[in-house]
Amino acid sequence: SQQGEEDPQALSIQEGENATMNCSYKTSINNLQWYRQNSGRGLVHLILIRSNEREKHSGRLRVTLDTSKKSSSLLITASRAADTASYFCATDSGSRLTFGEGTQLTVNP
Amino acid sequence: NAGVTQTPKFQVLKTGQSMTLQCAQDMNHEYMSWYRQDPGMGLRLIHYSVGAGITDQGEVPNGYNVSRSTTEDFPLRLLSAAPSQTSVYFCASSPGGAWDIQYFGAGTRLSVL
Repeated sequence: SQQGEEDPQALSIQEGENATMNCSYKTSINNLQWYRQNSGRGLVHLILIRSNEREKHSGRLRVTLDTSKKSSSLLITASRAADTASYFCATDSGSRLTFGEGTQLTVNP
Repeated sequence: NAGVTQTPKFQVLKTGQSMTLQCAQDMNHEYMSWYRQDPGMGLRLIHYSVGAGITDQGEVPNGYNVSRSTTEDFPLRLLSAAPSQTSVYFCASSPGGAWDIQYFGAGTRLSVL
């Protein structure tokens, strides 16, 4: 079974709006990562947040982590059409990294 | 800089055939892994390796074999292909391990008829 679960499964917004995706997981983690996948391509790493961190920023990306609720969120501000992609959270337990099922984000021009 | 290279990009097999999906990285990463991606199911871990000579099973290892004789290469073997193995396969490498940033290849799209 998947360790991480993203919500919503699909999200459609207009260019310039903010997009928020959520990830919930089941067991204790060391780190939580977010990846982006453009259609037909491999996954690209976006941001890594450690279990002792609560918030992290990278450009237009903001990630929060609440270990008490076993959840994380990814906020993309001022979205662009080029942000259209699938977004996955991933959590590690020991030597394994487990991905959620992803959120498909569509940014309409 | 090549990064993680997967070959072939596309493959069609008949049920019962065997084949090897190649994965090579030029970043001297110790950790490598194989995932399959099916619609609506995200990525599922097949096998992984923490270094040359060491491999272990992931979530869905049945029907697949791996070996890691060098740091650079981590081939995935399908022993007797089945239609259920139709999927997109991704190889990834990481300098630190499962907890660290993963670098993905472009994928191999496999169809088993």
